[in-house]
Amino acid sequence: DTGVSQNPRHKITKRGQNVTFRCDPISEHNRLYWYRQTLGQGPEFLTYFQNEAQLEKSRLLSDRFSAERPKGSFSTLEIQRTEQGDSAMYLCASRKAGANVLTFGAGSRLTVL
Amino acid sequence: KQEVTQIPAALSVPEGENLVLNCSFTDSAIYNLQWFRQDPGKGLTSLLLIQSSQREQTSGRLNASLDKSSGRSTLYIAASQPGDSATYLCAVLNSGNTPLVFGKGTRLSVIA
Repeated sequence: DTGVSQNPRHKITKRGQNVTFRCDPISEHNRLYWYRQTLGQGPEFLTYFQNEAQLEKSRLLSDRFSAERPKGSFSTLEIQRTEQGDSAMYLCASRKAGANVLTFGAGSRLTVL
Repeated sequence: KQEVTQIPAALSVPEGENLVLNCSFTDSAIYNLQWFRQDPGKGLTSLLLIQSSQREQTSGRLNASLDKSSGRSTLYIAASQPGDSATYLCAVLNSGNTPLVFGKGTRLSVIA
């Protein structure tokens, strides 16, 4: 078990391009969460999945953002037509339903030029 | 809506000093509270988790307390070391089906 894995670790893109981040949770964890963190702020919730079902989405998740977890294992977060305001660290976390501790990945840092 | 506040935003102390980080939350009907550590540019590492029925948790030089009725938690770090320098985040879970709500963190610098 290698923990929660996120790729890529850092992505630099030009405004208007699409980007996709991947998260591989701990294998037996059926809940998966996406958070966004900007400089000097705490992580803000974006969305979460239980198995393949997306159960909640934050108002922060605009129409340009989409997340999937097709087989209830890894998840992807896609941002279309990126804007400079999308520059942030995107954090993925997972846990078992009923368990208390959330395990975070190292994050994917997005820089939009 | 749950809101979490951490004071101070930044703290600088000499090595060896004991220190306290503060966290307050607006909705006292919490399920648990967690303290995390974040090194620059890295993800979050869970330090301590306190269930709503507990008053404190200890791990090594760290002690976290919880006063649910007043909406407060403290993280006490004993005999601070330069390696403790990081951002410490407090996060609250209101129920098993809600996401963690984080504070903005306290950036700690321990000077050798």
